Amino acid sequence: DTEVTQTPKHLVMGMTNKKSLKCEQHMGHRAMYWYKQKAKKPPELMFVYSYEKLSINESVPSRFSPECPNSSLLNLHLHALQPEDSALYLCASSQDRASGSYEQYFGPGTRLTVT
Amino acid sequence: GQSLEQPSEVTAVEGAIVQINCTYQTSGFYGLSWYQQHDGGAPTFLSYNALDGLEETGRFSSFLSRSDSYGYLLLQELQMKDSASYFCALERASKIIFGSGTRLSIRP
Repeated sequence: DTEVTQTPKHLVMGMTNKKSLKCEQHMGHRAMYWYKQKAKKPPELMFVYSYEKLSINESVPSRFSPECPNSSLLNLHLHALQPEDSALYLCASSQDRASGSYEQYFGPGTRLTVT
Repeated sequence: GQSLEQPSEVTAVEGAIVQINCTYQTSGFYGLSWYQQHDGGAPTFLSYNALDGLEETGRFSSFLSRSDSYGYLLLQELQMKDSASYFCALERASKIIFGSGTRLSIRP
């Protein structure tokens, strides 16, 4: 199984809502990532989890709150978002760097619209 | 700082060869990767260069020159399905940093 799954595929939420994005992989990868991608732009790294611990936070606003309940799951909790947060949110995973792996596997993304 | 520059758009003819360049301004990285992303899809890994030189994977080849801070992706025997965005990406520490992206359009 070389698949990263993400739910939901599409999400529309108001600025006062609370929602969560979910990501799952069963490849035994110990590094998981959240990216944000705007139209016609490259993915921008938001968070990195390594062995279920947050290792990198790229100065993301606190209205985005990541969570890694176990080695297969990654969540992104959303609260009080702004319209400019509308984007494609991508989850990715990879083996740990010590194993010599460099390839990241991406999920299909969640298309988020904040109204 | 860390930045990777790519041409924004490239157009080529089906069956031809095209090269997408990537120049960067950083040091101390593990390697240079290339990812393909179709409209509405997720990025998918194509190739990786840890060392200087050419890596070949089927119709795709990638090249890295650390001394010139430069790399490229070479696509041969272009097919219509190769129309997509292509990103170079530097692997550094525990993360990768994507280039600005190149939109490749293939004409029949």
